[in-house]
Amino acid sequence: QQQVKQSPQSLIVQKGGIPIINCAYENTAFDYFPWYQQFPGKGPALLIAIRPDVSEKKEGRFTISFNKSAKQFSLHIMDSQPGDSATYFCAAALGTDKLIFGTGTRLQVFP
Amino acid sequence: GAVVSQHPSWVICKSGTSVKIECRSLDFQATTMFWYRQFPKQSLMLMATSNEGSKATYEQGVEKDKFLINHASLTLSTLTVTSAHPEDSSFYICSAPRGWEPQHFGDGTRLSIL
Repeated sequence: QQQVKQSPQSLIVQKGGIPIINCAYENTAFDYFPWYQQFPGKGPALLIAIRPDVSEKKEGRFTISFNKSAKQFSLHIMDSQPGDSATYFCAAALGTDKLIFGTGTRLQVFP
Repeated sequence: GAVVSQHPSWVICKSGTSVKIECRSLDFQATTMFWYRQFPKQSLMLMATSNEGSKATYEQGVEKDKFLINHASLTLSTLTVTSAHPEDSSFYICSAPRGWEPQHFGDGTRLSIL
């Protein structure tokens, strides 16, 4: 019930490509779904977040698509750049309560 | 800029010693802070919820006597790893929500026990 499943585990794209990372959750009480970007040796940094009353949210090159009925959400990175190479985590929470993290996706963007 | 600060960023110590890690909210008061542990190439696992002025809430499987949490003020929570052993070596990260904003994370503390 508390798990968040994330796929793929790793992803390799060329510069300009559109990597897509998918997450699925079970607990329908979750009302907050953020995505975090983490570089080696650093804490996670918030990229973008969505609430279940919205089906899509875009901030710069990052877009979240949210499917409430399927209990799934995904991150799209437009025009990916080598600097986007990092590990990405989806998460789910109830308000500002504890975050339940997905297993992470290691993205590599080659020039 | 950073809104949550962690100190130290890296610590190496001998087996059997105790290590204290600090987590500070820089420009806001945090009645709640969270402590996570992350092993290499793995996700963040919540260890405990730190509550200002009361006992921390530990996740299942986390030894409260091993990982002592103190949240004595509205801007500071500390995690003490007592009698640390090599298996406690990990990346420890704290976070705090600011108002209704999402959790802000510190930059983590890399703990290496020899």
